[in-house]
Amino acid sequence: SQQGEEDPQALSIQEGENATMNCSYKTSINNLQWYRQNSGRGLVHLILIRSNEREKHSGRLRVTLDTSKKSSSLLITASRAADTASYFCATQGGTSGSRLTFGEGTQLTVNP
Amino acid sequence: DAGVIQSPRHEVTEMGQEVTLRCKPISGHNSLFWYRQTMMRGLELLIYFNNNVPIDDSGMPEDRFSAKMPNASFSTLKIQPSEPRDSAVYFCASRGTGANYGYTFGSGTRLTVV
Repeated sequence: SQQGEEDPQALSIQEGENATMNCSYKTSINNLQWYRQNSGRGLVHLILIRSNEREKHSGRLRVTLDTSKKSSSLLITASRAADTASYFCATQGGTSGSRLTFGEGTQLTVNP
Repeated sequence: DAGVIQSPRHEVTEMGQEVTLRCKPISGHNSLFWYRQTMMRGLELLIYFNNNVPIDDSGMPEDRFSAKMPNASFSTLKIQPSEPRDSAVYFCASRGTGANYGYTFGSGTRLTVV
């Protein structure tokens, strides 16, 4: 079963706008990760946030984690057409050990 | 670093045939994972290895699926006999030591069973 649930399932924005994707999970975790998948390609690791962290930045990416609400958000600022992809959150740890459990993903379309 | 290498990229086979998917993890990574991705079920973990030892194969759908990791640089996922419902993209991923590292995924093998 999928650990994470993502919201929205699909998001369409204009280039230059910010994109926010949300992820909720059910069990305790050691960390939460975000991945990007371009059509027909493998997943690319974007950022990892540990359970004792609340916010993390990497370039135009900002990730927040609220363990009390079992939720995370990924913000992409000043989006570009090249950001068009599916974005997945994945949780690791807690009762699941090393395994990484993925959500269903958000399909982001950035229109030029 | 060439990343995680999977072969073949595409495989089309007839129902009942044996299919073998291959993966070469990143050198030095001690964990290897096989995932399957379909539209209906998303990304599912099939099996993972730590230091070449299978740790959790609870995601393997049935006895038709088997995976091996004979050494630190090679793993196979075999389906015998294959069925149309096995059609999916199969990904291999590896990870280095330590609890807080991301995975590196291969480009996947798109399997079509007709």
